Amino acid sequence: DAGVTQSPTHLIKTRGQQVTLRCSPKSGHDTVSWYQQALGQGPQFIFQYYEEEERQRGNFPDRFSGHQFPNYSSELNVNALLLGDSALYLCASSFLVRATNTEAFFGQGTRLTVV
Amino acid sequence: AQSVTQLGSHVSVSEGALVLLRCNYSSSVPPYLFWYVQYPNQGLQLLLKYTSAATLVKGINGFEAEFKKSETSFHLTKPSAHMSDAAEYFCAVIAGGTGGGNKLTFGTGTQLKVEL
Repeated sequence: DAGVTQSPTHLIKTRGQQVTLRCSPKSGHDTVSWYQQALGQGPQFIFQYYEEEERQRGNFPDRFSGHQFPNYSSELNVNALLLGDSALYLCASSFLVRATNTEAFFGQGTRLTVV
Repeated sequence: AQSVTQLGSHVSVSEGALVLLRCNYSSSVPPYLFWYVQYPNQGLQLLLKYTSAATLVKGINGFEAEFKKSETSFHLTKPSAHMSDAAEYFCAVIAGGTGGGNKLTFGTGTQLKVEL
């Protein structure tokens, strides 16, 4: 079992550019959540996808968007990058969005640096 | 809305000493509580979780935590620290009964340092 895999592991972008991060969930999981972890902070919830739809969203601007594919993998897109978007982006997968106590498995993250 | 507060952004213990990392929660409904560990340049690994069953929860690597409703606390402990325990630890909460998802709300983290 490969667990949750994210790509790329590191990325450097220029202000104003757009970026796409990718996540493959753990085998058997159908729900993908994205988190932003700024340096020295706890992860902040961005949004969650289940059945190819955004089910919940945190306090992030519309520049942050996502997608879930039929195979449950997911993408996080960020437009018009700001220096403040520099962070570790974590993907977490779980099973059945309706069960609120199921364990979320995290990937290694994508380190995004905006210059 | 639910939230967690971790007291102490940095904790230092000697190898073999007791580890105590503090977490207090705020939730309008019975919560589900979690402790995660993060090693440098890695993702988060679940240590243990409380889901309204036993109030004393045992996790991996010798860690345990006790849910105390009267104190709204979920402190993490380990009787004897090992050098390999040095990492950042996050307490997290999901509001129970929402039926709407597994949105985790994290604390700001506690960096644990283990000294010889």
